[in-house]
Amino acid sequence: DGGITQSPKYLFRKEGQNVTLSCEQNLNHDAMYWYRQDPGQGLRLIYYSQIVNDFQKGDIAEGYSVSREKKESFPLTVTSAQKNPTAFYLCASSIPRAGGNQPQHFGDGTRLSIL
Amino acid sequence: QKEVEQDPGPLSVPEGAIVSLNCTYSNSAFQYFMWYRQYSRKGPELLMYTYSSGNKEDGRFTAQVDKSSKYISLFIRDSQPSDSATYLCAMIFPQAAGNKLTFGGGTRVLVKP
Repeated sequence: DGGITQSPKYLFRKEGQNVTLSCEQNLNHDAMYWYRQDPGQGLRLIYYSQIVNDFQKGDIAEGYSVSREKKESFPLTVTSAQKNPTAFYLCASSIPRAGGNQPQHFGDGTRLSIL
Repeated sequence: QKEVEQDPGPLSVPEGAIVSLNCTYSNSAFQYFMWYRQYSRKGPELLMYTYSSGNKEDGRFTAQVDKSSKYISLFIRDSQPSDSATYLCAMIFPQAAGNKLTFGGGTRVLVKP
């Protein structure tokens, strides 16, 4: 079955610690995205990548970093600089097209909490 | 003011009723519109994807777009308890960097048996 796999499902971070969230897709999509979702709020874009070895900051990139070494993988690191990391993190992918008319498909998220 | 406004609810309806959800937006450049359903502790699932003004139907779901009023709607007929979820509207304009989606805050729906 094609889809997007996020791991772990739950993650706890200690003060001053960096943690990495995994996102893998087997949909052969070129574009991948990371969103943060807080209670009662919509999804906010952290980073996105339209092609391997290239990525761009979204609306709330401070305190986060990403890499895109393989088409199917787009890990997100939440660094110690992110002072309010408790949230639900969602990874998505899509087929980018000129004209931007492709919907995004999502994984089932990672819930990050502070210890 | 947010680019996309969506009533957070919760919206509580009896089983079998019609659920009516809507979003308003301010940027007339938005051209493509999506509705996602999100169950608790799960990722959003694409329900409907529309471009033109007018109606699009898929089973019990009807999506409506009124670009002149900058208003989109989702109707769920014969609602079931399994429809209880948060519904997110999302939209995109063709020149958006990275095909970025702009989301509403979501409406929580509760269908009571």
